[in-house]
Amino acid sequence: EAQVTQNPRYLITVTGKKLTVTCSQNMNHEYMSWYRQDPGLGLRQIYYSMNVEVTDKGDVPEGYKVSRKEKRNFPLILESPSPNQTSLYFCASSPLPYNEQFFGPGTRLTVL
Amino acid sequence: DQQVKQNSPSLSVQEGRISILNCDYTNSMFDYFLWYKKYPAEGPTFLISISSIKDKNEDGRFTVFLNKSAKHLSLHIVPSQPGDSAVYFCAAYGGGSQGNLIFGKGTKLSVKP
Repeated sequence: EAQVTQNPRYLITVTGKKLTVTCSQNMNHEYMSWYRQDPGLGLRQIYYSMNVEVTDKGDVPEGYKVSRKEKRNFPLILESPSPNQTSLYFCASSPLPYNEQFFGPGTRLTVL
Repeated sequence: DQQVKQNSPSLSVQEGRISILNCDYTNSMFDYFLWYKKYPAEGPTFLISISSIKDKNEDGRFTVFLNKSAKHLSLHIVPSQPGDSAVYFCAAYGGGSQGNLIFGKGTKLSVKP
């Protein structure tokens, strides 16, 4: 089954404790992206990757890191999480940016 | 500064009638637009898209219209069904070598039986 998987689905952590949210796709897509969804703000792009080893900032990259060492995986790293990073996070992939993007089920992160 | 605006946070429509969701954008360099639907507790799913070289694209009950001069696009759902109740996001692609996809804040559609 073609899908984008994210782990964990739910995470409660404390300020400053490094964490990684994993994202994996099995569709051989070139393009991958991370978004956060907040009430009243819609979906905002954090980082995207056009291809392996090619990443770029989206609209709200501060406080986040990403890496794309292999085509299928695109982890999101929070080196020192803060409460304002409490949000619902989505990973997505597509053949190209303007193609239909397939979204993962979301990761709900709470930073205390 | 919002580059993609969905000015109606919510819309309520009777089953069987037309739903019209609107989206405005400010950047004339945008050359591809997409609509996504999102149910609670799920990731967004792609609905329909349109290239800037077209002014209309149709897929079943869903039609997207693009007015480049007004920097406006709209999604029409005819006829509306209760299962269409969801949040709808408009998104614009920056074009060129940029991979930045910009979303609006969404419109919550409620279709009443």
